[in-house]
Amino acid sequence: GENVEQHPSTLSVQEGDSAVIKCTYSDSASNYFPWYKQELGKRPQLIIDIRSNVGEKKDQRIAVTLNKTAKHFSLHITETQPEDSAVYFCAASPSGGGNKLTFGTGTQLKVEL
Amino acid sequence: GAVVSQHPSRVICKSGTSVKIECRSLDFQATTMFWYRQFPKQSLMLMATSNEGSKATYEQGVEKDKFLINHASLTLSTLTVTSAHPEDSSFYICSARGGGAGWGTYEQYFGPGTRLTVT
Repeated sequence: GENVEQHPSTLSVQEGDSAVIKCTYSDSASNYFPWYKQELGKRPQLIIDIRSNVGEKKDQRIAVTLNKTAKHFSLHITETQPEDSAVYFCAASPSGGGNKLTFGTGTQLKVEL
Repeated sequence: GAVVSQHPSRVICKSGTSVKIECRSLDFQATTMFWYRQFPKQSLMLMATSNEGSKATYEQGVEKDKFLINHASLTLSTLTVTSAHPEDSSFYICSARGGGAGWGTYEQYFGPGTRLTVT
């Protein structure tokens, strides 16, 4: 089955700096890669996703890049703000098999003033 | 659009009792629903996938007789934790995926979660 690794487990940045979180996956059949933000005790919220037919996608301060050859994808947050502080999870999903998601281990992002 | 609710949000039960958690898609028909469990400071672990009108598919290591899943309609799935024990205490989250024209194949929308505490 799919295995998703995520680094770093914790990340502390100063407000206004950029943050980068990286994930690798094992199943070459995976073709959908979402990123979720989860605040303590709340539901995961989809912040951006990318499909295997593109290499990069951007939405305002958030961008995701995908390297299918190397089987890794990254989340980039620019101009970080205190409200960006949360746990971020990457995930991968293969086509077929119910399109179930395999999650990474999560990154606790702290944006300091 | 794409709102998923869960009920209850919190439940405390005694060891040996059963607890039922409901997951509803409020404004769309969910062809597939997923149930996850999340322990403190850990990731979401998929427990099972359910499709309306058919038996759920459980992930390896998840006891299907202990975690009963029913997806009787396109807007409702239930998870029943039978004979709960303290080690079952966790945050249970469902997600739903729509189907049909206008829906992507992949997007999942999450419920707010249910905090289960077994004493």
